[in-house]
Amino acid sequence: EIVLTQSPATLSLSPGERATLSCRASQSVSNYLTWYQQKPGQAPRLLIYDTSNRATGIPARFSGSGSGTDFTLTISSLEPEDFAVYYCQQRSNWLWTFGQGTKVEIK
Amino acid sequence: QVHLVESGGGVVQPGRSLRLSCAASGFTFSSYGMHWVRQAPGEGLEWVAFIRYGGSDKYYADSVKGRFTISRDNSKNTLYLQMNSLKAEDTAVYYCAKDDPRAGYDYWGQGTLVTVSS
Repeated sequence: EIVLTQSPATLSLSPGERATLSCRASQSVSNYLTWYQQKPGQAPRLLIYDTSNRATGIPARFSGSGSGTDFTLTISSLEPEDFAVYYCQQRSNWLWTFGQGTKVEIK
Repeated sequence: QVHLVESGGGVVQPGRSLRLSCAASGFTFSSYGMHWVRQAPGEGLEWVAFIRYGGSDKYYADSVKGRFTISRDNSKNTLYLQMNSLKAEDTAVYYCAKDDPRAGYDYWGQGTLVTVSS
């Protein structure tokens, strides 16, 4: 099973600042890396798929990069609605795993 | 638009069974694979099971293999999760999610809470 490790666990930032979230895989996942956002009491929302492709309706301030085992989600300038928990996910050999999440909180 | 509505959650004793349903609308249900994902209280997301569009191929997380069964009725646009031999650690909100083969889980239901407790 491929394990995804996200860092940091919590990111304390102010609106307007840049957020950089990391996701590391225990073995290569090629570019099959997906990011989701979850707000309290809500279902997750698809943000980025295949490492760097924004899902429908996702603002351009969200971007993804990386390959192999190291991936990054960047939020260029945090808006108030971006404070949430972010999860990375991979799919490999018909098994899917999530990282443990990074909480982006207001400083 | 796409709607996924889970039902069937509740409080159940350890060792008992429960069946969850997910009613789908707004897309051609029979053309897409579907997932169950769960989230224990205060915890992260855990993939549970996947069923391909035709229903013949099914995949499970090790934590539920042999106890849970995913199925679908394409004539009723409904996904199911039969959960047997439930344990306290199965307590979670269970979400169904539509699979986009290229883009991941593009639509999610609102979730249904399962509590396993004596």
